[in-house]
Amino acid sequence: DGGITQSPKYLFRKEGQNVTLSCEQNLNHDAMYWYRQDPGQGLRLIYYSQIVNDFQKGDIAEGYSVSREKKESFPLTVTSAQKNPTAFYLCASSPGTKETQYFGPGTRLLVL
Amino acid sequence: DQQVKQNSPSLSVQEGRISILNCDYTNSMFDYFLWYKKYPAEGPTFLISISSIKDKNEDGRFTVFLNKSAKHLSLHIVPSQPGDSAVYFCAAGSMSGSARQLTFGSGTQLTVLP
Repeated sequence: DGGITQSPKYLFRKEGQNVTLSCEQNLNHDAMYWYRQDPGQGLRLIYYSQIVNDFQKGDIAEGYSVSREKKESFPLTVTSAQKNPTAFYLCASSPGTKETQYFGPGTRLLVL
Repeated sequence: DQQVKQNSPSLSVQEGRISILNCDYTNSMFDYFLWYKKYPAEGPTFLISISSIKDKNEDGRFTVFLNKSAKHLSLHIVPSQPGDSAVYFCAAGSMSGSARQLTFGSGTQLTVLP
């Protein structure tokens, strides 16, 4: 079964703590993306990666970091510098960057 | 500055009738448009897309219309079914440049009443 998996489904962060959200795909897609969704708003791009070992900032990259060491994995770290991290985080992938993006189920991050 | 706008936050339609969801954009560089459907606490699911060389694309009950001069696109669902109740996002991108980032609208909550 090909698809995109995100874990965990829910994640709690304490003040000053870094947390990492997992995103894995077995679709053999080259490009991967991280979006954030806030209530009543559309999806905003945090980071994207076109190929392994390469990634670019999106519209709201401050307070986040990513890595792309493997084609199938694109983890997102929410650092303590992100002052408003509570949101629904969505990972997506596409065969190439000019093709339709397909989304994972999302991770909801809450701050304690 | 919102480059992709969905001005109706919600829409209610009777089962069996047509649902029309609208989307406006401001960036003339956009040449590829997509509609996604999203249920609560799930990721968006791709529905249908259209490129700027077309003005209509149809897939089963779903049809997307593009009016380039008005910078407007719409998604028609006929006939509407209760399972269509979800948030619908339109997204736009540009095929030019090295990468295509998608810009999303804020979504429209569609409720199909039985």
